[in-house]
Amino acid sequence: AQTVTQSQPEMSVQEAETVTLSCTYDTSESNYYLFWYKQPPSRQMILVIRQEAYKQQNATENRFSVNFQKAAKSFSLKISDSQLGDTAMYFCAFRGSNYKLTFGKGTLLTVNP
Amino acid sequence: DAGVIQSPRHEVTEMGQEVTLRCKPISGHNSLFWYRQTMMRGLELLIYFNNNVPIDDSGMPEDRFSAKMPNASFSTLKIQPSEPRDSAVYFCASSLVGMGVYEQYFGPGTRLTVT
Repeated sequence: AQTVTQSQPEMSVQEAETVTLSCTYDTSESNYYLFWYKQPPSRQMILVIRQEAYKQQNATENRFSVNFQKAAKSFSLKISDSQLGDTAMYFCAFRGSNYKLTFGKGTLLTVNP
Repeated sequence: DAGVIQSPRHEVTEMGQEVTLRCKPISGHNSLFWYRQTMMRGLELLIYFNNNVPIDDSGMPEDRFSAKMPNASFSTLKIQPSEPRDSAVYFCASSLVGMGVYEQYFGPGTRLTVT
């Protein structure tokens, strides 16, 4: 079974600075997908970024980018130029061949003015 | 785009009552997922439908829980009888499996409180 570990329960960052959220996973599959979801206080789950395991290039979406290290099974999220609206719970998720999303426990990110 | 629609947004009920949660997936999506989120267990997949057929219900906690998808645009999750430990946020998500990465799009969730 796949597992997803987010070792940072809480983090904080100053507005306009950069922050990196960590995620590691364990799987025996070679083809899979990784995702970061954001859950603001409204509790809506919002897809932030995705990474296909077969792609070596790290995904980027505006201020959000990932550092995908397949051998190390690591998938960190970097948020640049943090904004107050980035305050949310962030979940790392794994999807293998069975279409199930396995989520980490989440990291609560607070952006301070 | 309407997104995934869930109703009700909040439900408060007494122990022993029947609860029905509803979901309308994104038009054109062929897969639907029900998740439960609690502080203790995080986000858990309860059941997964593909083309209206239940594919994986291994996450359904017990026989009190049942889910149906009578057509491509509607699904229900029923709890009968409800118990206080069922209190959680229930999410429905949909996806287009077979066309690439298959990311899942979530509805706003239903917060269920069983007293």
